[in-house]
Amino acid sequence: DAKTTQPPSMDCAEGRAANLPCNHSTISGNEYVYWYRQIHSQGPQYIIHGLKNNETNEMASLIITEDRKSSTLILPHATLRDTAVYYCIVRSAQAGTALIFGKGTTLSVSS
Amino acid sequence: GAVVSQHPSWVICKSGTSVKIECRSLDFQATTMFWYRQFPKQSLMLMATSNEGSKATYEQGVEKDKFLINHASLTLSTLTVTSAHPEDSSFYICSARTGGTREQYFGPGTRLTVT
Repeated sequence: DAKTTQPPSMDCAEGRAANLPCNHSTISGNEYVYWYRQIHSQGPQYIIHGLKNNETNEMASLIITEDRKSSTLILPHATLRDTAVYYCIVRSAQAGTALIFGKGTTLSVSS
Repeated sequence: GAVVSQHPSWVICKSGTSVKIECRSLDFQATTMFWYRQFPKQSLMLMATSNEGSKATYEQGVEKDKFLINHASLTLSTLTVTSAHPEDSSFYICSARTGGTREQYFGPGTRLTVT
């Protein structure tokens, strides 16, 4: 699976959009981009995933560049409860492979 | 749907004893389960992958005789930490996958403290 690079930490004001970047320049054509988050002392929570097109769900939006070498997770209106470590993971389309976590980005949302 | 539970949520044991952690898929059949370990301020590290009815596959550096994994049914996997030592104190997280899907569902984690 391709390696990802994320900034170690980011701050965001409550109510503002949080834009979390991820670089995955070695991604191959059949690899998906997944985003998970982990709130302190809890298991990871799935947020969103995509292959080529931008995706949106009730939690967030995922913007993938046309060359697929980077992506941005957008939390449109961050709340204090969005404070967590956010992991961007590139993963093979092969069903059996485990998710491999990098260091992630610690997002701190403040009022 | 797709709920994974772990029991216990936290456990304290004495050095040299063994402790068992259970991971259950509550509303789906987990053909594959994964076990991760997380030390403070670090990321999750994959320990092993187990398929129902088969022996687990351990990641490099993980002692298979120390971390015993059993995946005897489609809804239950157990991780037994044998002869636990203080350096085994960690947050253990299981994850489950069903059938031919890619999605992995995570449990809430088990905090193990070895004194």
